[in-house]
Amino acid sequence: GEDVEQSLFLSVREGDSSVINCTYTDSSSTYLYWYKQEPGAGLQLLTYIFSNMDMKQDQRLTVLLNKKDKHLSLRIADTQTGDSAIYFCAEITPGYSSASKIIFGSGTRLSIRP
Amino acid sequence: DVKVTQSSRYLVKRTGEKVFLECVQDMDHENMFWYRQDPGLGLRLIYFSYDVKMKEKGDIPEGYSVSREKKERFSLILESASTNQTSMYLCASSFFPQGANTEAFFGQGTRLTVV
Repeated sequence: GEDVEQSLFLSVREGDSSVINCTYTDSSSTYLYWYKQEPGAGLQLLTYIFSNMDMKQDQRLTVLLNKKDKHLSLRIADTQTGDSAIYFCAEITPGYSSASKIIFGSGTRLSIRP
Repeated sequence: DVKVTQSSRYLVKRTGEKVFLECVQDMDHENMFWYRQDPGLGLRLIYFSYDVKMKEKGDIPEGYSVSREKKERFSLILESASTNQTSMYLCASSFFPQGANTEAFFGQGTRLTVV
């Protein structure tokens, strides 16, 4: 079945780059997403990448996709205290009905050291 | 401003009670989802629905049922609450079909404690 895996914790110094990694198993995934969850809040979409792309850049965020290894990463440049959150990798898998479902990883808790 | 609203932020229920968690979205989305979030396990899909009166089991449907009588409302029902259902429950909605711009919008979550 589908599976999305992430490490649970990451700690970086303020101003450094953060790199959050994710692996997935379903090669038929069409879109891959990064969601951010701040304390006490629901999830919000940060960015996404089509499965036929290798890289996407959006301001401080860079998403890299290695389809061969089924590896996705999110790089946050110049990490700030406001980036402290849980980051979820997610993939869309073709549904066995007319709907598709989103599969989430376990989430990586990013903490920032002064 | 798009909105997914869950009826309660916090709930405390007794073992064996029937529990209803309500979710309403105002975006005319076809898809609606219920997840539970537990530390170290991420989000696990309980049920989803792609149309009124349609439902599909997710990965952990046991002990739960759902109802979608109207497009904007998706209810999660715990038939007989148990302590292992203590968790954060997240509702989400999205357009169908899924595409790059069809992100899932999430509610704030309901933290349910079963005692």
